[in-house]
Amino acid sequence: NAGVTQTPKFQVLKTGQSMTLQCAQDMNHEYMSWYRQDPGMGLRLIHYSVGAGITDQGEVPNGYNVSRSTTEDFPLRLLSAAPSQTSVYFCASSPDTLGNSPLHFGNGTRLTVT
Amino acid sequence: AQSVTQLGSHVSVSEGALVLLRCNYSSSVPPYLFWYVQYPNQGLQLLLKYTSAATLVKGINGFEAEFKKSETSFHLTKPSAHMSDAAEYFCAVSDGQAGTALIFGKGTTLSVSS
Repeated sequence: NAGVTQTPKFQVLKTGQSMTLQCAQDMNHEYMSWYRQDPGMGLRLIHYSVGAGITDQGEVPNGYNVSRSTTEDFPLRLLSAAPSQTSVYFCASSPDTLGNSPLHFGNGTRLTVT
Repeated sequence: AQSVTQLGSHVSVSEGALVLLRCNYSSSVPPYLFWYVQYPNQGLQLLLKYTSAATLVKGINGFEAEFKKSETSFHLTKPSAHMSDAAEYFCAVSDGQAGTALIFGKGTTLSVSS
């Protein structure tokens, strides 16, 4: 009964490096999303997906790419890391795509870009 | 597009006192509304949700919220605060449309003193 699993839990990158934050869910949820959390800013939506092969941009998509090749996985790619991307990243999933069911959150990835 | 405003980034109460965390929303259609709680270094957990079945919604840990359409509000209350309630609380809104995303407020940190 894993729920939403995010890896890694912590990561330090140098400016310009690339990396992928992994997110997997075992609940067969159609909807998956990525948020970043910064002090005083709450959670801001980066990208989301309503099913395999379908992705869309959220509020702060610049500098990030996503893909959804399977229902289970929704990786977030940082193409060229910048200090402004230092944040805590949360992946979340939901069984429906209409927004009337709660999100299930992973435990987060704390990313530092130096 | 929907939005949510949480009034007060930090609320302090004494143990046993009333907790009131304010949330106002904006949505062009009847919204779905949620309150989440985040304890330090953890992901977000659902406290309660409003999906039009009843205007007064009861959640976990003694919390409840009332949907007031005329005031576009969904304030969170608890009659008697406990030390374990100290956490960050987020209000979130969805417009329930196909492919919609959940939008979060900036959060309110609740401190409880003995």
